[in-house]
Order: sequence, then C-alpha cells, then structure tokens
Amino acid sequence: AQKITQTQPGMFVQEKEAVTLDCTYDTSDPSYGLFWYKQPSSGEMIFLIYQGSYDQQNATEGRYSLNFQKARKSANLVISASQLGDSAMYFCAMRGANSGNTPLVFGKGTRLSVIA
Amino acid sequence: NAGVMQNPRHLVRRRGQEARLRCSPMKGHSHVYWYRQLPEEGLKFMVYLQKENIIDESGMPKERFSAEFPKEGPSILRIQQVVRGDSAAYFCASSPPWTSGYEQYFGPGTRLTVT
Repeated sequence: AQKITQTQPGMFVQEKEAVTLDCTYDTSDPSYGLFWYKQPSSGEMIFLIYQGSYDQQNATEGRYSLNFQKARKSANLVISASQLGDSAMYFCAMRGANSGNTPLVFGKGTRLSVIA
Repeated sequence: NAGVMQNPRHLVRRRGQEARLRCSPMKGHSHVYWYRQLPEEGLKFMVYLQKENIIDESGMPKERFSAEFPKEGPSILRIQQVVRGDSAAYFCASSPPWTSGYEQYFGPGTRLTVT
C-alpha cells in the first residue's frame, strides 16, 4: 500500500519569495509516480508537476520544481517567486506503478497563503 | 478539446434521498476514477472503471454506493439513501487507454450537501 504524508497543515510566504512544501511517501513498489496538485478556493484540481521514480533529473514546470530525494522518500514542491494567485491548497499524490491507469493516493494537503 | 465534465456542480439532497453524480471523461479517455474529498481532507479513491467494467472498487463503501460506466454515456456514481456523512466533494478523473499516459485529468467536482 502507498502512503503520502504532508506534515505542514498551513504555510505562509511573502510575495516574490520561494517556498517549499514538504511531502514524504511510503511504498513497496519499485516503480511509482509522484504528483502535485493545486486546489484553489474555487475547488478544482489543477495538475502541477510529475516525477517518475526512475527519472534521473528533478522535474520542473515553470515556477514549480520537484525536489526528489529517493533515498529519503521525499518529493518536496518548490514554488519560486510566489504570487498572490498561488494561495491555495496543495496536494501531493502518488501512484503505485509507473503507468497511467492506477488510482492516485493523496496526502492531506498544505494550505499556502501568499502575503503581499 | 473539452475537459472532464461533471454535473451537477452542486447537489442538495435530504437524508434518505438518492444522489446521482455524472462524469463525462475527456474525448478518447476510456478510464474513469471517482474520488471523494471530505472537508479539510485530501482526496480518497473510491472506484476505477473502464467502459462497462469495474476494475477496482476497493475504496467504495459496501452499502448504498454504486458506480457504472456504460458503453454509451457518462459514468454515474449513485448514492442511495444519503446520510449527512455523505456530504463531500466528489471528483471524477479520466485517463487515456494507453499505459504511457501518466496524468489523470480531473473534473471540477460535484459538491454534495445532505440536509
């Protein structure tokens, strides 16, 4: 079974600063995928970034980067140059096999508030 | 290319009534997943379906809940005799049939309120 742990219920960051949201995972699968989703107050789930367990490099998507440390089983999300629109819930998730067709396991989320 | 569509977006039901939630996957996607999000919680997997088949329903409560994905038409999540504890946001996600696709595309969710 897979498990995702997000230990920060809430985080504050000053606008234009960088922020790191923590995520640790547990799985016995040799191959897996890690995801981050953003959920603004409007409620939709927005895909941000993906990291495969065998990917050699950390994933990056614009201002988002995933700090993947396999030995520590951590997949922290780094948001650079925070904007007010980044205020939202952020969920880390994983899938047990590195393919498209298995369910996602989510953490409880971190609420990020960006301060002007 | 329209995204995943869910309707209704908001649904209010009295205790004991039935709730029917619909999900139309993205064009070309034949895999559908339903997740439930309780207030202040992450999403929890409920059921995974392909056309006319339930692949994994390990997250579905044993009673009152059922899901289908017919050959034609949307996927339906049905909750019979709703109780206050069913109040939650229900999300549908879809993915393409090939296994190299890694992303699940989420719909906007249906917010169910049981009064």
